[in-house]
Amino acid sequence: AQSVTQLDSQVPVFEEAPVELRCNYSSSVSVYLFWYVQYPNQGLQLLLKYLSGSTLVKGINGFEAEFNKSQTSFHLRKPSVHISDTAEYFCAVSSSLTSGGYQKVTFGTGTKLQVIP
Amino acid sequence: NAGVTQTPKFRILKIGQSMTLQCTQDMNHNYMYWYRQDPGMGLKLIYYSVGAGITDKGEVPNGYNVSRSTTEDFPLRLELAAPSQTSVYFCASSNRMNTEAFFGQGTRLTVV
Repeated sequence: AQSVTQLDSQVPVFEEAPVELRCNYSSSVSVYLFWYVQYPNQGLQLLLKYLSGSTLVKGINGFEAEFNKSQTSFHLRKPSVHISDTAEYFCAVSSSLTSGGYQKVTFGTGTKLQVIP
Repeated sequence: NAGVTQTPKFRILKIGQSMTLQCTQDMNHNYMYWYRQDPGMGLKLIYYSVGAGITDKGEVPNGYNVSRSTTEDFPLRLELAAPSQTSVYFCASSNRMNTEAFFGQGTRLTVV
């Protein structure tokens, strides 16, 4: 069964500092990977996704993530955070099936990014 | 562009009451989903639909029912509310399974 782990439930970081939010998944087959952001009292919106091709994926708001198959990771990074980046971030995975197609998306438990002025 | 619209935004139910959470999307997406979000637990899939007339259970379907009579609408029904159903519920849609999902703003439900 597929799963995704976000080890850090909360990450405090000072404004203009870099940040990395960690995501590891368990799957030995092809995967689709996603990062979503949830601002307070709102639904989730897609930050970026990896389906195939280049392992470095760029998303909205200056975020990027790198797919590392050997380490089964898809960490999210931003070189300089802003107050407006304060939100909860969810990693999600969908693994391929031996019968064809992909499994339904599984979400991680989320990481709350707190940007400190 | 409305996207995915959920109503109501907030609701308090008494134990044993029933209610329907409404969800509608204007993107002509075939796939629709209902998730619940509990603190520290991420999102859990309740039910999903791959098109009008076709629905299937997700990870946590007990205590819920759904229907999909049109492409646009995917209501979630709670028949006998229980305190364990206190949660934030999100409806989402996508044009294919496992591609980008578009989420509504959520319904915060409290069962007392």
